[in-house]
Amino acid sequence: DAGITQSPRHKVTETGTPVTLRCHQTENHRYMYWYRQDPGHGLRLIHYSYGVKDTDKGEVSDGYSVSRSKTEDFLLTLESATSSQTSVYFCAISRQGSGANVLTFGAGSRLTVL
Amino acid sequence: SQQGEEDPQALSIQEGENATMNCSYKTSINNLQWYRQNSGRGLVHLILIRSNEREKHSGRLRVTLDTSKKSSSLLITASRAADTASYFCATDAGGTSYGKLTFGQGTILTVHP
Repeated sequence: DAGITQSPRHKVTETGTPVTLRCHQTENHRYMYWYRQDPGHGLRLIHYSYGVKDTDKGEVSDGYSVSRSKTEDFLLTLESATSSQTSVYFCAISRQGSGANVLTFGAGSRLTVL
Repeated sequence: SQQGEEDPQALSIQEGENATMNCSYKTSINNLQWYRQNSGRGLVHLILIRSNEREKHSGRLRVTLDTSKKSSSLLITASRAADTASYFCATDAGGTSYGKLTFGQGTILTVHP
């Protein structure tokens, strides 16, 4: 999807194990975001980044951490996965469109925590 | 809490009919956007309407915005089976929001051939 690659696309893991999801962009955009999508909740923002090493919490950040050591990569880490973190995770970048920020999403990473 | 609430949650129509989806939000916005998601895929931006605009068109899409009622609607005219997808509204508070968007729960649209 338009210069954004998420990996892995699918992962099954066990409760208590660490998990890292990677988002890679090829277009040098400053703003990047991690959302999770769950039935009945739409998309909820987990963390976002406004530059290298500049990150902040979103609406549902508990249990998650992020890192951005270079412009193109934004990592989402679950230090100790729980079943409530079973979800589809989407990375997005923000582009300027008509003078406003428009998001472009990756294809998603489906995580199942058993 | 979710900024946007969408109505209806699901909509089933026949090809050729029009589809209308509604979105309500709670706080002031800089702009409101609509996104589409095909099954198993990421969201794709459809159209954006600014807070000082009342109506916007793009092809078969028509978006309205009523800031006094904090609501928006998306109309898809002459629907096609390929329009089957989930549709989400998203609000941008502007200012120092760093481009963050707050999404509604979405409307699932099914268009029958």
